[in-house]
Amino acid sequence: DIQMTQSPSSLSASIGDRVTITCRASQSINNYLNWYQQKPGKAPKLLIYGVSSLQSGVPSRFSGSGSGTDFTLTISSLQPEDFATYHCQQSYSSPTTFGQGTKLQIK
Amino acid sequence: EVQVVESGGGLVQPGGSLRLSCAASGFSFSGFEMNWVRQAPGKGLEWVSCISGSGTTIYYADSVKGRFTISRDNAKNSLYLQMNSLRAEDTAVYFCARRTTWNFQPSFDYWGQGTLVTVSS
Repeated sequence: DIQMTQSPSSLSASIGDRVTITCRASQSINNYLNWYQQKPGKAPKLLIYGVSSLQSGVPSRFSGSGSGTDFTLTISSLQPEDFATYHCQQSYSSPTTFGQGTKLQIK
Repeated sequence: EVQVVESGGGLVQPGGSLRLSCAASGFSFSGFEMNWVRQAPGKGLEWVSCISGSGTTIYYADSVKGRFTISRDNAKNSLYLQMNSLRAEDTAVYFCARRTTWNFQPSFDYWGQGTLVTVSS
């Protein structure tokens, strides 16, 4: 199975900050990388698919980049509603696997 | 509006069984692969099983193979997960998720709110 490793595991930031979360795959996954946002007690929400394509309705302050094994999720200017846990997922090979999550907290 | 709603979770003893259900609405259910994904308390997401739209193709994670059975009833727009021989490590919130493909990129675009399964004596 492909292992997905996110860093950092947790992150404290302030409103208006620019934040970057990294996801590394244990082998090349081409562009089959998705990002999800999850708030406590809620279902994950698809933010970005295929590395950099924004899901409908997702604010443009979210962006994704990367290739091969290394990928990033960037939030350009943190808003109060962005404090949540973020998960990356590879959909390149079966079984699909997720990173361990990055918890974004208010500083 | 697309909706998926899980039910059937609860407290069960080790070795016991439980059947989860997922009711879907707002889309052509038979046209989509459906998945179960779980999340143990304080942990990340773990894919459990998937079933094709027709129900003919099924896959399981190694951790549940031989113990869990996924099925669907397209006439009822429903997805199921029969869980047998439950273990403490199966304790988790179980999510039902729809798989979609945009520009050849698969992802899970709609998720239910989850149902909690607790395996404990």
